Amino acid sequence: QKEVEQDPGPLSVPEGAIVSLNCTYSNSAFQYFMWYRQYSRKGPELLMYTYSSGNKEDGRFTAQVDKSSKYISLFIRDSQPSDSATYLCAMSKGSNYQLIWGAGTKLIIKP
Amino acid sequence: DAGVIQSPRHEVTEMGQEVTLRCKPISGHDYLFWYRQTMMRGLELLIYFNNNVPIDDSGMPEDRFSAKMPNASFSTLKIQPSEPRDSAVYFCASRYGQGNQPQHFGDGTRLSIL
Repeated sequence: QKEVEQDPGPLSVPEGAIVSLNCTYSNSAFQYFMWYRQYSRKGPELLMYTYSSGNKEDGRFTAQVDKSSKYISLFIRDSQPSDSATYLCAMSKGSNYQLIWGAGTKLIIKP
Repeated sequence: DAGVIQSPRHEVTEMGQEVTLRCKPISGHDYLFWYRQTMMRGLELLIYFNNNVPIDDSGMPEDRFSAKMPNASFSTLKIQPSEPRDSAVYFCASRYGQGNQPQHFGDGTRLSIL
């Protein structure tokens, strides 16, 4: 079993919809949680970063961490075709540890 | 400021040939990472350096793979001899400071071994 599980999709939704992307993990020691966005033929870029539990909002994006359920989510409001990309979750146990990556979910926003 | 620069962007070569991938990290970053990405296995960490010193190479698949970082502004990943199963996109990333800081990725080298 992988330490971080993420449904690869693809997830296809109409423009304007609210999108929910999720990852589950098995190691309760994870403390730092990140979401990266990867456009086709590009490298991943950091989208959101949270420490421990709770929510973090940045514009149309909200990251949520539920440590009791070992579950993290990324919500995208008012989704746009430009949001079409692969979204990867990543997490680590602490500042001296390296990131463990999810497989990535391919998101398609239909105009 | 320029981001992480990788070269070449694409490489097609025949099995058995030596392949060298190059990376220039962001100036001032003290960590450098080499990743491999495939559909089947996702993003895999191969090796990372801190201040030009290799710290963890446990992700390097075989002795055919080697990586060097002769100075703070340059790193190479070499495959010798190459095999078709090495076909993947190879990413270099750099980071300033500890693990909670973001990694900045290059646009990758798409490698095809025939």
